[in-house]
Amino acid sequence: EAGVAQSPRYKIIEKRQSVAFWCNPISGHATLYWYQQILGQGPKLLIQFQNNGVVDDSQLPKDRFSAERLKGVDSTLKIQPAKLEDSAVYLCASSPSGVNEQYFGPGTRLTVT
Amino acid sequence: QQQVKQSPQSLIVQKGGISIINCAYENTAFDYFPWYQQFPGKGPALLIAIRPDVSEKKEGRFTISFNKSAKQFSLHIMDSQPGDSATYFCAAGGSLRGSRPLNAGGTSYGKLTFGQGTILTVHP
Repeated sequence: EAGVAQSPRYKIIEKRQSVAFWCNPISGHATLYWYQQILGQGPKLLIQFQNNGVVDDSQLPKDRFSAERLKGVDSTLKIQPAKLEDSAVYLCASSPSGVNEQYFGPGTRLTVT
Repeated sequence: QQQVKQSPQSLIVQKGGISIINCAYENTAFDYFPWYQQFPGKGPALLIAIRPDVSEKKEGRFTISFNKSAKQFSLHIMDSQPGDSATYFCAAGGSLRGSRPLNAGGTSYGKLTFGQGTILTVHP
């Protein structure tokens, strides 16, 4: 079974630029999560999808971050414009419907200069 | 009320020793407590998880101890090996057992709140 795929793996941008991350969850997993992991900290949930609907986006900075999962499969997370404090690893995770266990992708390391 | 506090921040253990990492939570609605292991450049991987209807769960060299009244849980790694050197995260969330909707009573079930992480180094 293929794992959660994420791309790109690394991205360096200047502040005020835009960036987008892509995630392809494990096949059949209805729930998809985006987490932000700042160096030296635990992952923090940004947004949770169930199929193509948003379950929780309470910690998503909506003035600059957006996410979508249009067909209920893969998802994109966008930052526009980026700030220095957005430098972090962005992790995507997925889980089957009704199951707690989350499976994480390798993450995208974003550096904002 | 959503915080999960983890200690210690770092831990050094000799090969064959016991590694113990502790976590405390505040939200009594949490009823799913997993531990994740993360190697550099990789995403977190589920190690072991417990629900509050049991006080202990063991899988191989890894044991979770759970104290519901104290709202604390801990990970014990027996016979620690250099290959166990990694960052460990505890987490807490609402269990998805049963037909409870994903978003009820102000809590998002399935969502995990993570601790700050413990860097474990096992010396040969």
